[in-house]
Amino acid sequence: AQKVTQAQTEISVVEKEDVTLDCVYETRDTTYYLFWYKQPPSGELVFLIRRNSFDEQNEISGRYSWNFQKSTSSFNFTITASQVVDSAVYFCALSEASEIQGAQKLVFGQGTRLTINP
Amino acid sequence: DAGVTQSPTHLIKTRGQQVTLRCSPKSGHDTVSWYQQALGQGPQFIFQYYEEEERQRGNFPDRFSGHQFPNYSSELNVNALLLGDSALYLCASSYGLRELYEQYFGPGTRLTVT
Repeated sequence: AQKVTQAQTEISVVEKEDVTLDCVYETRDTTYYLFWYKQPPSGELVFLIRRNSFDEQNEISGRYSWNFQKSTSSFNFTITASQVVDSAVYFCALSEASEIQGAQKLVFGQGTRLTINP
Repeated sequence: DAGVTQSPTHLIKTRGQQVTLRCSPKSGHDTVSWYQQALGQGPQFIFQYYEEEERQRGNFPDRFSGHQFPNYSSELNVNALLLGDSALYLCASSYGLRELYEQYFGPGTRLTVT
């Protein structure tokens, strides 16, 4: 069965520090997708990135960057020069395909609570 | 362009009662998935609806049921509520079934069972 592990339950850093959130996944599928979501105190999950299993190219979007390494089954997320507004719970997720219908659902990790202190 | 909307925002029910939560997908989306997020946990998949049919289901008892309407909106029903059903219920919409593109989540309904 698919599984996503976010070993860091909570991280607290001072503003402007760089911070990396770890994500390790398990799957037997050869084709899968990995996601990162941000959940601010309001509760709504905000989509950050989607990556397919065939594309290991790292991606940068402003202060955010993602490092996908298939060899270690990891999809880590780095925030550079963190800001107080980055404080939230961050979830890594893996798509899981249904054997019957080919439909996909998300399997989430436990989340990492990130606090950026001024 | 309205995103995913859910109602109500908050709900308080008593053990043993029944509850119905509602979700309207983002414009252009036809697939609705429901997730349960207990406090301090990641969301857990409940079930998914497409073309008014339940397409797949997570590890939840039959007390959890749903429905999708012709306009793609969806309901989640929970019967015989237990204290452990207290959680944030998230609805997510997407387009199609086989390719999971950006799955948009609603703000959730926070259910408290006393």
